[in-house]
Amino acid sequence: DTGVSQNPRHKITKRGQNVTFRCDPISEHNRLYWYRQTLGQGPEFLTYFQNEAQLEKSRLLSDRFSAERPKGSFSTLEIQRTEQGDSAMYLCASSLIEATQYFGPGTRLTVL
Amino acid sequence: GESVGLHLPTLSVQEGDNSIINCAYSNSASDYFIWYKQESGKGPQFIIDIRSNMDKRQGQRVTVLLNKTVKHLSLQIAATQPGDSAVYFCAENYPGNTPLVFGKGTRLSVIA
Repeated sequence: DTGVSQNPRHKITKRGQNVTFRCDPISEHNRLYWYRQTLGQGPEFLTYFQNEAQLEKSRLLSDRFSAERPKGSFSTLEIQRTEQGDSAMYLCASSLIEATQYFGPGTRLTVL
Repeated sequence: GESVGLHLPTLSVQEGDNSIINCAYSNSASDYFIWYKQESGKGPQFIIDIRSNMDKRQGQRVTVLLNKTVKHLSLQIAATQPGDSAVYFCAENYPGNTPLVFGKGTRLSVIA
């Protein structure tokens, strides 16, 4: 499968713990995006990278959230000191510049 | 603020009938529109896209219509099948803004 992959698919954690998610984009895509989706809503943009540079961050991305793409390939999204309001599906997408975004299967986070 | 929205949250159709899912957008500067299909527990799947210099685009069993005068987008699915049951999102993009802006989605239920 050469699509976008995300790991883990599900994560259950206790409030206050840190979690890290990984996204592997389609190999030739230089843009990588993170979105968050809550039940019944459309995905909301969090941040995106062009190669290894983080070019934009949403106001939704609080100080507890950090994303990296160190080698311009895979990316990680870390949430520190998780809160119950962080429970959501975290989606990763990738694209070529100015092209269609293709999404991964998502990581569903549940904070107890 | 300006956003993408959908007229109908749910749509039920008989198998074999045609489906029409509507979407209103409010940003007149938007120049790129995408329809995604999302099945339960999965990430959004690209269906079809259209740029603002077109008013119609056809794919396999799907057609997207764009009416820039009234800022309206629709997705037509011909001969709807049970496998078409999902939530459908329209998303828009405008110059200078890389992330997609999604609406809330329409749930399509196909009755066998």
